[in-house]
Amino acid sequence: EADIYQTPRYLVIGTGKKITLECSQTMGHDKMYWYQQDPGMELHLIHYSYGVNSTEKGDLSSESTVSRIRTEHFPLTLESARPSHTSQYLCASSDRAPKGHTEAFFGQGTRLTVV
Amino acid sequence: KNQVEQSPQSLIILEGKNCTLQCNYTVSPFSNLRWYKQDTGRGPVSLTIMTFSENTKSNGRYTATLDADTKQSSLHITASQLSDSASYICVVSDRGSTLGRLYFGRGTQLTVWP
Repeated sequence: EADIYQTPRYLVIGTGKKITLECSQTMGHDKMYWYQQDPGMELHLIHYSYGVNSTEKGDLSSESTVSRIRTEHFPLTLESARPSHTSQYLCASSDRAPKGHTEAFFGQGTRLTVV
Repeated sequence: KNQVEQSPQSLIILEGKNCTLQCNYTVSPFSNLRWYKQDTGRGPVSLTIMTFSENTKSNGRYTATLDADTKQSSLHITASQLSDSASYICVVSDRGSTLGRLYFGRGTQLTVWP
C-alpha cells in the first residue's frame, strides 16, 4: 500500500473561490507530480517537482500553482476557481526502485467541481 | 511524437472469462512500460512494470507481455472476477530526460458481468 494521501477527496466550490488541494507522501520521495484527468480521458501532467524548492510546469497548461517547501508536501492552489477547472486531480510521487525501475505511486485523487 | 494507444476502448466480459488488452506505443527512447489498474474515482495502482529486456511478467491473474521490437504490449487477465471491473492504463516511460517522463494511454474500461 502506497503512503501518499490527498485531501479532500471531493470538493464542490463556487466560482471565484481560492482552493488548495493537499498532497502528502511519507516515502521520502524526491519527485512529485500533479496530473489532471477528465472522465474517460488520459492523465495529463500539469506540475512536477524534483525536490524541495523545485517546481516545473508540465505538458498541459494549467492556471494552478504549486509549491514544494517540504519534501513530503506538494500542495496545488487555484487562486480563482472556474467551472473549466472541474476535473479529477491526481498526485503522485516516485523514486528509483530496485533494478533501475522508477515506480510511481498515486494518491486517491481529488474530484473538484466548480459551480 | 511520443504516444501510447490502447485498444479496445471498452470491453464487457462475463465473470470467469479471460480477456486481453492491447497497448501500442511510439515512445523513444524507451525505458519501461507499466500497466495500472484504476478503479472509478481512485488513483491508479501499479500491476506490472517491464523494461526493454523483459518479455513477460505476471502478477497473480494478470500477465503482461512486451515486444520491444514492434512496440506492443498486452495485458492478459485470466478467470475474471467482478472486482476486475476498472480502467486499465498502459504507461510508458522514456529515458531521454531526467524526469523519466511518463506517457499515459487513455485506458481500456473493463466491465465484468456476473
